[in-house]
Amino acid sequence: DAKTTQPNSMESNEEEPVHLPCNHSTISGTDYIHWYRQLPSQGPEYVIHGLTSNVNNRMASLAIAEDRKSSTLILHRATLRDAAVYYCIPQGGSEKLVFGKGTKLTVNP
Amino acid sequence: GAVVSQHPSWVICKSGTSVKIECRSLDFQATTMFWYRQFPKQSLMLMATSNEGSKATYEQGVEKDKFLINHASLTLSTLTVTSAHPEDSSFYICSAPRGRWQPQHFGDGTRLSIL
Repeated sequence: DAKTTQPNSMESNEEEPVHLPCNHSTISGTDYIHWYRQLPSQGPEYVIHGLTSNVNNRMASLAIAEDRKSSTLILHRATLRDAAVYYCIPQGGSEKLVFGKGTKLTVNP
Repeated sequence: GAVVSQHPSWVICKSGTSVKIECRSLDFQATTMFWYRQFPKQSLMLMATSNEGSKATYEQGVEKDKFLINHASLTLSTLTVTSAHPEDSSFYICSAPRGRWQPQHFGDGTRLSIL
């Protein structure tokens, strides 16, 4: 499994954009990059995933570096409901998801 | 709404009791489901892959006789914690992909407390 490095925590203000980075330098060429988030006392929730190109959906955008060794999850306008632990997970070869420590995002009103 | 349902949400029981947790896919069939556990302030740890109609695949270090997994139908997997002890107290979470290689849907978790 590819190893990931994410900041332990980040802070943002409500209504401002948030850029959550992830390093995955050992990712293989066929691994997708998935992002999930976990709100307090809940199961994780899928956010977005991509392979090479940048991706957008209603929740967020995913910017993937050209060498694929890093990616950034972008929340365009953070809300209080976005406060969660965000996990970046390379996945390939198996449907298993291996969770790292993630980034705890705090959103200030 | 929820597409994967877990039951019960929380359970408190005495040491030595066996506890069964159910995970259901509500509007899709899941040939594969996954079980995780999470201790306070830690990340999720994958315990096992539940395979419909065959034996579960356990991760290294997870006792298969302790954590019995049954996936008897395409919409239901169960995790039974046998002879539970206080150290088994944790947050247990299941997940299932809607289709092969699709993003996974997670249940809301079961908080297990063993006294």
